[in-house]
Amino acid sequence: EADIYQTPRYLVIGTGKKITLECSQTMGHDKMYWYQQDPGMELHLIHYSYGVNSTEKGDLSSESTVSRIRTEHFPLTLESARPSHTSQYLCASSQQGGLTDTQYFGPGTRLTVL
Amino acid sequence: GENVEQHPSTLSVQEGDSAVIKCTYSDSASNYFPWYKQELGKGPQLIIDIRSNVGEKKDQRIAVTLNKTAKHFSLHITETQPEDSAVYFCAAPPLGPAAGNKLTFGGGTRVLVKP
Repeated sequence: EADIYQTPRYLVIGTGKKITLECSQTMGHDKMYWYQQDPGMELHLIHYSYGVNSTEKGDLSSESTVSRIRTEHFPLTLESARPSHTSQYLCASSQQGGLTDTQYFGPGTRLTVL
Repeated sequence: GENVEQHPSTLSVQEGDSAVIKCTYSDSASNYFPWYKQELGKGPQLIIDIRSNVGEKKDQRIAVTLNKTAKHFSLHITETQPEDSAVYFCAAPPLGPAAGNKLTFGGGTRVLVKP
């Protein structure tokens, strides 16, 4: 079982609030990712990082921001939450330079913005 | 970039029957094809993968086949059981210098195994 953690698991918050979704992994992986998963199941990459101080935007435009100050930690922040941000957010990590591209996923955070 | 299409989007099978999910990809240079299973309330987990140098790989009741010429790969689940009920995703890596370890996922297949 992968050692990647996300908190909180569920979050219900009002419009305009600032929120941070936490993601941590203890596998020493260099690469980390954030996906947004809509009710239709599809996974959309919104942010990724190849290492400390490296962050890139993913394929789906997102108003969220990320930071990577430590290898094991990749938090996602929404400065002002809106109902359109309601979704499931999944964090993942993988090992750079490995023989496979296996991504290990956390359990997800289900965000509801009222 | 890579485009991955997955079919069907939903699949209902009787317990004990087989389930097959198919994916097509666009980049003929892709060389790694994983399958992930997502159970309710959890993140996706890798269940099997295949590299482009083999045509088939098995692991107990699950198998993956790859047709590089046609650019498609399939997941086969035999003797399905209720615990196989989940959402399944195929994926392929986009190639190019900016691709890194990113994966392009298919749209997912919701599998329901009826007892």
